Amino acid sequence: GAVVSQHPSWVICKSGTSVKIECRSLDFQATTMFWYRQFPKKSLMLMATSNEGSKATYEQGVEKDKFLINHASLTLSTLTVTSAHPEDSSFYICSAMGGRPLHFGNGTRLTVT
Amino acid sequence: GDSVTQMEGPVTLSEEAFLTINCTYTATGYPSLFWYVQYPGEGLQLLLKATKADDKGSNKGFEATYRKETTSFHLEKGSVQVSDSAVYFCALSDLGSSASKIIFGSGTRLSIRP
Repeated sequence: GAVVSQHPSWVICKSGTSVKIECRSLDFQATTMFWYRQFPKKSLMLMATSNEGSKATYEQGVEKDKFLINHASLTLSTLTVTSAHPEDSSFYICSAMGGRPLHFGNGTRLTVT
Repeated sequence: GDSVTQMEGPVTLSEEAFLTINCTYTATGYPSLFWYVQYPGEGLQLLLKATKADDKGSNKGFEATYRKETTSFHLEKGSVQVSDSAVYFCALSDLGSSASKIIFGSGTRLSIRP
C-alpha cells in the first residue's frame, strides 16, 4: 500500500487564491521531504527540501514567498501556493525520506483558472 | 552540476518487443542511479537501482547496469507487455550529501501496442 499520501490529488482554484497541498508519511517518520514540480512533457524539478522543525531549503529560482513549505511534524509537510496564477498550474509531487528508500506521493494536479 | 539525460519519447513498441531506453549522467561524485516508473494516474515508483559501478539493478524483467566508463544506465527489457506502458525516469542521487536529493531526467513515455 501507499506509504506516502498526498492530498488533494487534483484541485482547481481561481487566480489570486491560495492552495494547500499535504504530504503525509503513513508508516514511518520522514525527517526530510522533497517537493517537486512537473511541467508537461518535462522532468520533475526539485523545488525545495523540507526538514522537520526547520526552514525549507529552496532551489535556485523558486520563490519562497510564493511556495510556502511547512514541515511541522515528522509525518506531515505542506506546500501552499499563495496567490496562485495560471502559470502555477502544474503537477506537484512530494517525496519523503526516513531511514528507507525514497517514496513518492501520487501527486497533485493544480489548475488555476 | 549533476545532470541526467535520457532519450526523448514517446517510444512505441509492439508487445514482446525488446526495449532499450538510454540514460547518461554527469556527476562530480559517485552517485547512485535509479529508474522510476510513473503509470497513468499514479505517482512515481522505484523500479530499480544501482549504487556502484558495474552493479546491475533488476525488477519486473527490467534491467540496467551502472557503467562508470560510459556514464550510462540504460534500461532494458527483453519482452515488453502492454502493462509496461508508462513514463520512465532515469535519476541519480549523490548519497554523500546530507539532503540526498534526486535529480531526474526528462522522462520517456513508453506505449506498448497489443
